[in-house]
Formats: sequence, C-alpha cells, structure tokens
Amino acid sequence: QVKLLQSGAALVKPGDSVKMSCKASAYTFTDYIIHWVKQSHGKSLEWIGYINPYSGGANYNEKFKNKATLTVDKSSTTAYMEFSRLTSEDSAIYHCARSGIRAYYFDYWGQGVMVTVSS
Amino acid sequence: QITLTQQAESLWVSPGEKVSIICRASQSLLYTDGKHYLSWYQQRPGQTTKALIYHASVRTDGVPTRFFGSGSGTEFTLSIEDVQPEDIALYYCLQTLKKPWTFGGGTKLELK
Repeated sequence: QVKLLQSGAALVKPGDSVKMSCKASAYTFTDYIIHWVKQSHGKSLEWIGYINPYSGGANYNEKFKNKATLTVDKSSTTAYMEFSRLTSEDSAIYHCARSGIRAYYFDYWGQGVMVTVSS
Repeated sequence: QITLTQQAESLWVSPGEKVSIICRASQSLLYTDGKHYLSWYQQRPGQTTKALIYHASVRTDGVPTRFFGSGSGTEFTLSIEDVQPEDIALYYCLQTLKKPWTFGGGTKLELK
C-alpha cells in the first residue's frame, strides 16, 4: 500500500540547518505531488509548500520561502526538505503528504518527524 | 490568504452519539468547476494523518459511512454519527482553493 516514510527525529542547534526525508513507496513517484506541512505545539498546521517530482518544480508558502528548500531524488523516490537558520520557532513536527497533480486534497501522509531546536 | 476557523477547540461526546464539527472560511471555497475545495482530516495519536472527505462531501476510500461531509460557500460541517471510541482524535479542515493553502485550527474530539 502507499507509504510515505519520514526520517527520524532531529535535535539541532539554533542557526543550523536540518534536512529531512520522505521516502515514497507503492506508487509511481512522479505521478503525484509531495507537500510539506508544519505542526506547531501539537496542533496548528501550516502548509509549507510542494514539489512536483516529475518536473522538480516547487511552490512555496511565502512565509517559508526563505526558510525551506524542497528537492527530490527520483532514483530513490525520496523527497527532501531542508529548513535553514533554525530558531526555537521552528521546533515542530513536520509532515510530508501526497496529492494528485490538481491537489484537491492530501490523500496520504507520512508519520511526521519532530524537530527540536535547542542549544 | 483564506482563513479557516474551527471555533470549537474541543468537543465532548459519548459513544453512540452524533457530533458535528464546523469549519468556516473567510471567503467562498467554490471554484468555477462547481466543486468546493475543502477537505477534512483525522489525526489520531501515534498514527499517520488520514484524509476523510474531499470536495466538502466526498468520502475517501475506506472511510466509514458514519463520517459525513456537508456545506457550501463558506460554511462546512463534518458530522460523525454513532461515534466510536476510535473516532477520538483531532480533526482539521483544509482549503486548497487558493494558495497558500490553509488549515483550520483543529477540533479535538474527546470522550465524556
């Protein structure tokens, strides 16, 4: 069955960057868009952006444009998000999710990865 | 950007009851194709987030028929009839009409 398997939890220092992964399986990777979503304080959700694995093109929420960089590796069917210049405000759970090209909704989600920013 | 408001942060229910979760949008979510770009999600502790409803009222595959999506324009409702213990979760609405796509604040369903 369709699965999005995310990398493990990360503890990072303020000012550093973190790169997390989302490995897709059991579907044609290039037929679907991968989104990234931030969940703060265990509740509120924010859409960070998406990447089209077929074209490599990404679209970002303006709020995260200078913070997040989305990439894919088609050979390993893995999507990546790098979050840079981390502050305590970036401590959150980050989810990847899949949608069709028309992005009606996010039909499958990863398990989420907790990122803690602390010195 | 479009703001989605789920006014109820928490709702308490007993098993077997019906509950409704409301999501209000700051503008209409109706697109020119006649569809509403509003979907609902369930987040249970320790589990991946699950899509329940899209286009306001279309159940995703495998979602029990006790989950029902309704509404139009700016007001949408996720109803759960005959609530089961496994329905205790966080529920979110999401609009994908206009970027940046935005979520409601979430409603936590709790057992009385």
